[in-house]
Amino acid sequence: QSALTQPASVSGSPGQSITISCTGTSSDVGKYNLVSWYQQNPGKAPKLVIYEVSKRPSGVSNRFSGSKSGNTASLTISGLQAEDEADYYCCSYAGSDTLVFGGGTKLTVL
Amino acid sequence: QVQLVESGGGVVQPGRSLRLSCVASEFTFNNYGMHWVRQAPGKGLEWVAVIWHDGSDKYYADSVKGRFSISRDNSKNTLYLQMNSLRAEDTAVYYCAKCLSQRGSYYYGMDVWGQGTTVTVSS
Repeated sequence: QSALTQPASVSGSPGQSITISCTGTSSDVGKYNLVSWYQQNPGKAPKLVIYEVSKRPSGVSNRFSGSKSGNTASLTISGLQAEDEADYYCCSYAGSDTLVFGGGTKLTVL
Repeated sequence: QVQLVESGGGVVQPGRSLRLSCVASEFTFNNYGMHWVRQAPGKGLEWVAVIWHDGSDKYYADSVKGRFSISRDNSKNTLYLQMNSLRAEDTAVYYCAKCLSQRGSYYYGMDVWGQGTTVTVSS
């Protein structure tokens, strides 16, 4: 159950697009289309923004999108807004009825 | 609205036990699997355990296996986490979270989270 690998930080200017990567292995991200992404503001509970790699829950902006290639999943936020500044975590099913999270990425909107 | 409220956190000495509770409201609790996820101070999220909608199966992270036990009382819309043999590294905010999809779909995502309850293990 090793954590998925995410960049510690990413940044972008308002209006730009950013992508956060989430690298796992052929036993988790690469094997299952069960990757989800969570947004967490300081002192708050996480919020689901993407599930099953690329599906958006109702109420989540269509500026958020997800994808996967091989052992790496990605979260893209387009038209960056100040309110998007937060920590983002990926999560994948890892087999044997277990889940694994990424280490988290701090998004800074410049 | 759909809500989860955790309680039971506190300061506890190493080796002691603590039981967390999570009360659910405004959804059909017995239709959904439930997870516990924790976050150590200044650190990332860590999955802890899952329980199926009917309580028939339970699975744990290696870091807590044999020490923690997840359970639920569907008649009380309540999820529990019994934590035994606590260690300093168990210090964290503990969140309960609802599975996105009903029955049999436990790993698609977690769409409702509680506000968290803080557990501090210290002598």
